[in-house]
Amino acid sequence: NAGVTQTPKFQVLKTGQSMTLQCAQDMNHNSMYWYRQDPGMGLRLIYYSASEGTTDKGEVPNGYNVSRLNKREFSLRLESAAPSQTSVYFCASSLGGLSTDTQYFGPGTRLTVL
Amino acid sequence: AQKITQTQPGMFVQEKEAVTLDCTYDTSDPSYGLFWYKQPSSGEMIFLIYQGSYDQQNATEGRYSLNFQKARKSANLVISASQLGDSAMYFCAMRGANTGNQFYFGTGTSLTVIP
Repeated sequence: NAGVTQTPKFQVLKTGQSMTLQCAQDMNHNSMYWYRQDPGMGLRLIYYSASEGTTDKGEVPNGYNVSRLNKREFSLRLESAAPSQTSVYFCASSLGGLSTDTQYFGPGTRLTVL
Repeated sequence: AQKITQTQPGMFVQEKEAVTLDCTYDTSDPSYGLFWYKQPSSGEMIFLIYQGSYDQQNATEGRYSLNFQKARKSANLVISASQLGDSAMYFCAMRGANTGNQFYFGTGTSLTVIP
């Protein structure tokens, strides 16, 4: 089992460019999440998908869109990248949304916007 | 509102000694889960240990244990017999029964193990 995989691992964009971060999990989890991690701020939730076919905004959704392509895959799109979106992006998944359900994380994508 | 507070930005511990990393939380959910993650310099987030709010016993996983004091709303991570490989950032997190898909993270504690 690969767990949670993310592509790419690193990306450099120019302001205004667009890109999609890909995430896939092979644990048959229902819920998937996208976070960003900035120095000194912990992890902040961008969007989540409680189950296939649903998506909801998290704490910092502005500038992002998501697609839950199927049960395994959850992508994050930056339509017009800005320097403020320079960050490390983590995808995570959990069995469901219960308070007992552990989240498992992908390896992260380090994004730099110039 | 849910909130996780980690007040120790950085900690040092001698190899083979025990160390406690502090975490306090605030929630109005009657039922919730508390989690600790380790983030080494390589960047991945590794799940360490879980404690449920109704669990009677403190959780343990190998050298990791969680000192859960519900009345004080604290969930401190104890690492026994520290090893050099324990040097990393440690994050406390919480999810509540009523806000299940919102996972709240603290700002983390950087632990350095000294040989």
